[in-house]
Amino acid sequence: GAVVSQHPSWVICKSGTSVKIECRSLDFQATTMFWYRQFPKQSLMLMATSNEGSKATYEQGVEKDKFLINHASLTLSTLTVTSAHPEDSSFYICSAGGGTGKNIQYFGAGTRLSVL
Amino acid sequence: KQEVTQIPAALSVPEGENLVLNCSFTDSAIYNLQWFRQDPGKGLTSLLLIQSSQREQTSGRLNASLDKSSGRSTLYIAASQPGDSATYLCAPGYSTLTFGKGTMLLVSP
Repeated sequence: GAVVSQHPSWVICKSGTSVKIECRSLDFQATTMFWYRQFPKQSLMLMATSNEGSKATYEQGVEKDKFLINHASLTLSTLTVTSAHPEDSSFYICSAGGGTGKNIQYFGAGTRLSVL
Repeated sequence: KQEVTQIPAALSVPEGENLVLNCSFTDSAIYNLQWFRQDPGKGLTSLLLIQSSQREQTSGRLNASLDKSSGRSTLYIAASQPGDSATYLCAPGYSTLTFGKGTMLLVSP
């Protein structure tokens, strides 16, 4: 149980376009979802935390107008990178909390974004 | 702000060795601590979860210990195998998880 699906796994886009990444909890209701970013050889950095039906809470230094997060249901959260630029190229990973384990996060497989 | 340090940053060993990976964290007010494995270009695989009230957890050849008061955790890998080659991340958790940079492990045949 506690499977989190993230799609797409890899996306290449032109500079200036927007990219949407989906994160789904397949077999449990995720009251909270988290979005992380990982640059090469760096640790995962939390970007934002979202609770179903409310606005996301962004970490310091993360532009909320650039990284739009929607958590419209208990099984789906989306991250949209708006007007992507090459410096946004990174590995984005979502996780979902809820399930049967308190304070446990279940991770998606990640999305590699390459902006040309 | 929680800060997590993992030592060593990289480790290369021959197959069969027993290994210890170290993790230290600055804020001991945590609910739990997780150890993850990350293969190159992939997501995270949860290995072990230790609740704050526990001292250790075991899964197969893996054993993780937690000394919450001193802000330390260790991951012990017994009889290492080439398939264990990956980056190992520790993440103490409160309302959110904070990750270290990881230990990159290479086990050669």
